[in-house]
Amino acid sequence: DAMVIQNPRYQVTQFGKPVTLSCSQTLNHNVMYWYQQKSSQAPKLLFHYYDKDFNNEADTPDNFQSRRPNTSFCFLDIRSPGLGDAAMYLCATSAARNQPQHFGDGTRLSIL
Amino acid sequence: AQSVTQPDIHITVSEGASLELRCNYSYGATPYLFWYVQSPGQGLQLLLKYFSGDTLVQGIKGFEAEFKRSQSSFNLRKPSVHWSDAAEYFCAVGAGGGADGLTFGKGTHLIIQP
Repeated sequence: DAMVIQNPRYQVTQFGKPVTLSCSQTLNHNVMYWYQQKSSQAPKLLFHYYDKDFNNEADTPDNFQSRRPNTSFCFLDIRSPGLGDAAMYLCATSAARNQPQHFGDGTRLSIL
Repeated sequence: AQSVTQPDIHITVSEGASLELRCNYSYGATPYLFWYVQSPGQGLQLLLKYFSGDTLVQGIKGFEAEFKRSQSSFNLRKPSVHWSDAAEYFCAVGAGGGADGLTFGKGTHLIIQP
């Protein structure tokens, strides 16, 4: 089945140690998104790629960066994770405008 | 900027009873509206969407939602809930068809009583 796959499902890192979360899709969608969801809160958009064009939300911390080397893959890099960055990170894709987003199962990030 | 309000943090419904989850939005133009469901530890699954046309939209798992422009609402309904419907439900609004990202409400936690 075509889908959005996030690896790993659970990630533990140390305070200040860089970490990368990955997302791949077999849907061949143009648009890929990263959301942060803290416990019992709504998902919050961090940034998205429309094809190769990167769009950063104004309030996304500089600590968070993203790479999209090709259509299928997108990465979320956290340069120096703090305790406040512990959350579920959700990747989503969309074929184009006027199309709904399809979400992966998320990566739960813990910071020691 | 767009915003979404889900006024009910928790709702408890008996199995077999009807359900209505409320959602109000704020958006300057015609909104693109979505309902997603999230089970614990999982990603979000799309239940239904409204882009234009018929204001009553049908979704998966027996859910429907009605867009009411005059009330800025997009309430989710189901005539008879099942225990498997217990989950977190998020209403979302998207600008530009949602391609610029979604703004979510804070969610409603649905509890099903036997």
